[in-house]
Amino acid sequence: DTGVSQDPRHKITKRGQNVTFRCDPISEHNRLYWYRQTLGQGPEFLTYFQNEAQLEKSRLLSDRFSAERPKGSFSTLEIQRTEQGDSAMYLCASSLVWGGPSTDTQYFGPGTRLTVL
Amino acid sequence: GEDVEQSLFLSVREGDSSVINCTYTDSSSTYLYWYKQEPGAGLQLLTYIFSNMDMKQDQRLTVLLNKKDKHLSLRIADTQTGDSAIYFCAEIAPMEYGNKLVFGAGTILRVKS
Repeated sequence: DTGVSQDPRHKITKRGQNVTFRCDPISEHNRLYWYRQTLGQGPEFLTYFQNEAQLEKSRLLSDRFSAERPKGSFSTLEIQRTEQGDSAMYLCASSLVWGGPSTDTQYFGPGTRLTVL
Repeated sequence: GEDVEQSLFLSVREGDSSVINCTYTDSSSTYLYWYKQEPGAGLQLLTYIFSNMDMKQDQRLTVLLNKKDKHLSLRIADTQTGDSAIYFCAEIAPMEYGNKLVFGAGTILRVKS
């Protein structure tokens, strides 16, 4: 399977704990995105990497959230001191863009569902 | 700012056509997308349309774009029970260094056998 993969698929944690999620993009894709989806809503953009550089961050991304893509391949999203409001599906997507006009079509992984008790 | 709206729910009988509608606000959007989400799963790309096109057909899927009214629709011909899912319309919104997708809240499609 050469699609986007995410791990874990489900995470249950207690309020105040730290959690880390991993995303492996499609292998040749240079762009990687994190989105958050709450129940009954569409995904909302959190942050974006081009290769290893984090180029954009949403205002939704509080100081408790940090994301890395150290070698321009996989990415991690860490949430520190989790709150009940962090409960959501965290989706990763990747795309391939090389200069010039492009669709920048984003392909999504299966998501990590986080439940904060 | 960008905003995408969709109707919340559509129910059809198996074999009928389904039409899911979407309106968007950013007239500069170059691409518009349709994604499908099954329960507990991620988003599956169905199709996309470039803003200079009026229509795109891909097997059972037909996308119509009315750029003047900022209206996008997805028609599914011969709807099957396996088409039951949530369908999201999304527009691509440029940021300073890249693009993000702005999604509607999704349309729940229920197919009755």
